[in-house]
Amino acid sequence: KNQVEQSPQSLIILEGKNCTLQCNYTVSPFSNLRWYKQDTGRGPVSLTIMTFSENTKSNGRYTATLDADTKQSSLHITASQLSDSASYICVVISYNAGNMLTFGGGTRLMVKP
Amino acid sequence: DADVTQTPRNRITKTGKRIMLECSQTKGHDRMYWYRQDPGLGLRLIYYSFDVKDINKGEISDGYSVSRQAQAKFSLSLESAIPNQTALYFCATSDPQTPNYGYTFGSGTRLTVV
Repeated sequence: KNQVEQSPQSLIILEGKNCTLQCNYTVSPFSNLRWYKQDTGRGPVSLTIMTFSENTKSNGRYTATLDADTKQSSLHITASQLSDSASYICVVISYNAGNMLTFGGGTRLMVKP
Repeated sequence: DADVTQTPRNRITKTGKRIMLECSQTKGHDRMYWYRQDPGLGLRLIYYSFDVKDINKGEISDGYSVSRQAQAKFSLSLESAIPNQTALYFCATSDPQTPNYGYTFGSGTRLTVV
């Protein structure tokens, strides 16, 4: 069964600090991996999309890495801001059944002043 | 205006009642989806539709039905709501013609069944 697991489940950091969120997956066959940011009461918004051949991709202060051999990804947030407080969801797409999404449970990040 | 609009945003209903959640989109995408999100769990697929005449069951379709009234509209119905259907529901669209199948999510409908 395709699965995506994220850690930690929740994280509290001080404003200005860096943090790294982890994602492990067993989705096969792999198409691409995405990180989404979900603010409370809102729908997920895409941060990065990485294909099999991409090892790293940045979007401002967000940098995602992908190791397709070990089936692991990370999302690094640099110089955190209060507005980074949200849930971060790792999503993997497989080349089957119409390229459906498999969602991780998310990491809830709280940035405190 | 939002690309994917869900109505209502919040709804409280009683056990046994029929309820419909609506989704409309201005993206022009053929593919539409309904997901359910429970605390601490990943979004799970309820139903999806690749065009107006196409309806497919997802991972957790029991207790739900859908209607694709037009390319832009995809409705989710709970025929007889039960408390464990209390959740956050998201509609999404995607376009296989865009790089990496860009997905767009609505803002969600928070449903409470009492």
